[in-house]
Amino acid sequence: AQKITQTQPGMFVQEKEAVTLDCTYDTSDQSYGLFWYKQPSSGEMIFLIYQGSYDEQNATEGRYSLNFQKARKSANLVISASQLGDSAMYFCAIKGYSTLTFGKGTMLLVSP
Amino acid sequence: DTGVSQDPRHKITKRGQNVTFRCDPISEHNRLYWYRQTLGQGPEFLTYFQNEAQLEKSRLLSDRFSAERPKGSFSTLEIQRTEQGDSAMYLCASSPAGVPDEQFFGPGTRLTVL
Repeated sequence: AQKITQTQPGMFVQEKEAVTLDCTYDTSDQSYGLFWYKQPSSGEMIFLIYQGSYDEQNATEGRYSLNFQKARKSANLVISASQLGDSAMYFCAIKGYSTLTFGKGTMLLVSP
Repeated sequence: DTGVSQDPRHKITKRGQNVTFRCDPISEHNRLYWYRQTLGQGPEFLTYFQNEAQLEKSRLLSDRFSAERPKGSFSTLEIQRTEQGDSAMYLCASSPAGVPDEQFFGPGTRLTVL
């Protein structure tokens, strides 16, 4: 079984600041991948970043980086230099040998 | 536009009616997924196709739900005898074979059952 826990229902950040969105996971699979998706108010899920369980380096994609701590089973998303367009729901997800399992999400609001 | 498309975008129906949704994946993707998302929750997996074969179904997929993917191209999700609890956003995603199985999502179909 797989489980994702996102403990922050909402986060506020000022424009140009960095923000960290928390994600912890549980899985019995030896090999798995961790994903972050962004869902703006329009509803479409947008893929942001991926981290494989055997990847030794933390993944980075532009302003997004994933702080992967395997022993702590955490996969936090760091957004640097926040922009107003970053305001959205953010979902952490895990995929092992089976299906993609999402957390409940964190609403991020970026203020000017 | 070469992304995942879904039709219709919105559907309002009365309890007890049947509804059908369509998903057109990215053309070179052989994997197709259906998810359901209710307010305040993340998407929940419903079912998965590899080409035309339905390889996995969630226990959330009651016998009132059926999905098909004829010829491994577009897919349909039908809900029979809709109930108010079926009101949700139904999301379709597709991915190419292999790792990391990055899934590309469509805009979703929002179903309201009155």
